[in-house]
Parts: sequence; structure tokens; C-alpha cells
Amino acid sequence: DTGVSQNPRHKITKRGQNVTFRCDPISEHNRLYWYRQTLGQGPEFLTYFQNEAQLEKSRLLSDRFSAERPKGSFSTLEIQRTEQGDSAMYLCASSPRTAAYEQYFGPGTRLTVT
Amino acid sequence: AQTVTQSQPEMSVQEAETVTLSCTYDTSESDYYLFWYKQPPSRQMILVIRQEAYKQQNATENRFSVNFQKAAKSFSLKISDSQLGDAAMYFCAYMDSNYQLIWGAGTKLIIKP
Repeated sequence: DTGVSQNPRHKITKRGQNVTFRCDPISEHNRLYWYRQTLGQGPEFLTYFQNEAQLEKSRLLSDRFSAERPKGSFSTLEIQRTEQGDSAMYLCASSPRTAAYEQYFGPGTRLTVT
Repeated sequence: AQTVTQSQPEMSVQEAETVTLSCTYDTSESDYYLFWYKQPPSRQMILVIRQEAYKQQNATENRFSVNFQKAAKSFSLKISDSQLGDAAMYFCAYMDSNYQLIWGAGTKLIIKP
């Protein structure tokens, strides 16, 4: 069990560019969550998947954000036309089928929009 | 909507002493989970302890224990015999029926050697 991994760990981009982050959950975990954490704050829920189905999206997830989880394995989070307000840590977590209340977190991807 | 409030932005404690971090929450649900997570500087979120709302007994994990007061919607974390490695941001979180976590703003815990 190698834990939840996220790539890249850091991303610096210019305003207006598109970025994509990847999350690899723990093997056989069927639920996958994305959260956003701004400096000095607690995380905020963005969206989650059960297998390949995206079951809920927060109102924080504007039309510029899209997430996918093809084949119920890894997930990607794409931000189009980035804005400075998108600068944050993007956290991914996964949980097993038998214990949906247990969320295991990855190290996060820190996005800086200049 | 559920909310989680941590009223202590920062706490400090002498090494080997005991410290209590406060958390209150608001919900109309009767069945839910509550968590304390630890986030060391530049490191990932780690689960410290979990409490099921239907359980009256307070959860304990080694030096970490909670005081769960369901009627008061209070969920505090007690850390006994504080160690330097306990220094981190501590987040209280509520899990709703969709297994989404709703987080407090966090408490920065400083351990004084």
C-alpha cells in the first residue's frame, strides 16, 4: 500500500493558462475526493467520485473546473483559464468500499497562479 | 448547512504537558462522524482520531482522546504528554451522510521544549 499520490507536487502557472493535476488513490479504494485548501484555512470540498461516477460537485467548482476518473482508477482535475484566486493547495483523498468514512489524503498539489 | 468552528487559531503547550483543542459544530442530523486531523508543516493530512455520533463512549488513541458532547455539539481533542512531533495544524471535521468532510479553520499547535 503506497498511499495516495498526487502529481505534480507544485505547479506555477501564468494567469489564463490551463493546468491539470493527477491523483492516484490507494488501490481498490472506490471513492475519491478533491478538496481545495487556501492558506491558513481548512480544506473545502470540491467534488467526489464513486468508482467512475462523479456524484457531487460543490458550487465552488465553477465551469472552469472539470474532474474525471476514467475506469474508476486515477483522477484528474483540470482548471481552465486559471485566475489568481485559484492559487491554493489541491488535496485528493480516497476511501475504501468497506469504510467510506475513512479518508486517506495525498500530499497535495500546490498551485500558484502568477 | 453544517458548520464547524474552531475558536482557537493558535495554542501553545509545554512539552510533556496536556493541551485541549476546542471544536463546535452545527448539524440537524443525528448520525454522523467527527474527526480530528493533523497537518504538519508541508506534509499531508493525517487522521488523529474518529468519533461516531451514535457512540456515547469517547474515542481514545494512545495520547489522544476526545470529549464528545452531542447535545452541546462540542468535540474537543485532548493531547496528553505533548511531544515536539505533535506540533502541527489541527483540523476538526464533520462528515455528512454523503461522506463529505466539512472542516474547521484549524488550530496551530506549538510545542515549547
